[in-house]
Amino acid sequence: DAKTTQPNSMESNEEEPVHLPCNHSTISGTDYIHWYRQLPSQGPEYVIHGLTSNVNNRMASLAIAEDRKSSTLILHRATLRDAAVYYCILSGYGGSQGNLIFGKGTKLSVKP
Amino acid sequence: ETGVTQTPRHLVMGMTNKKSLKCEQHLGHNAMYWYKQSAKKPLELMFVYSLEERVENNSVPSRFSPECPNSSHLFLHLHTLQPEDSALYLCASSQGVAGGPNEQFFGPGTRLTVL
Repeated sequence: DAKTTQPNSMESNEEEPVHLPCNHSTISGTDYIHWYRQLPSQGPEYVIHGLTSNVNNRMASLAIAEDRKSSTLILHRATLRDAAVYYCILSGYGGSQGNLIFGKGTKLSVKP
Repeated sequence: ETGVTQTPRHLVMGMTNKKSLKCEQHLGHNAMYWYKQSAKKPLELMFVYSLEERVENNSVPSRFSPECPNSSHLFLHLHTLQPEDSALYLCASSQGVAGGPNEQFFGPGTRLTVL
């Protein structure tokens, strides 16, 4: 399975932008890049996904490098509620290739 | 109810007990999953069901027995568990089997403690 590398932890101040990096140098041409987050005592929740182009939704933006070997999740204005573990996951097509393989993620702390 | 629900939210059982975890999704999805999250370890995929048929069993011990009677319900039957099976058990669903752009929706989990 293609793997991702994320920093173990990051800190941010409330109402400031946060850039969460992810390296995925072995990504294949059909792998989608997904981001999920897990708030304390909850199940993971979907944040955003992309293939080649940058993506925006109401929660965040996803910036994908031109060679697709890295990506960055951008929270435009961090709130206390954004404190969570953020997972960057690659998902291919077909059989086990499509399964979500969770790593340790990045634990984001947000300071008031 | 909306989304993915799981019951019970907390469960304490002895090693000789038999219990079941229940998951229900109200999203019209046709694929469902069981994950295990042990303390300080990443989520581990246990089972995948697509159209009520098991398509993946990730080397899970036989003391965990899944059942998917229809596309909305998923059970995990537990028997003769070990203390190291204590964990958060998460259910998820998706439209279509995981892959590509398909998004998974997770339930809140069942916190299981085996004494």
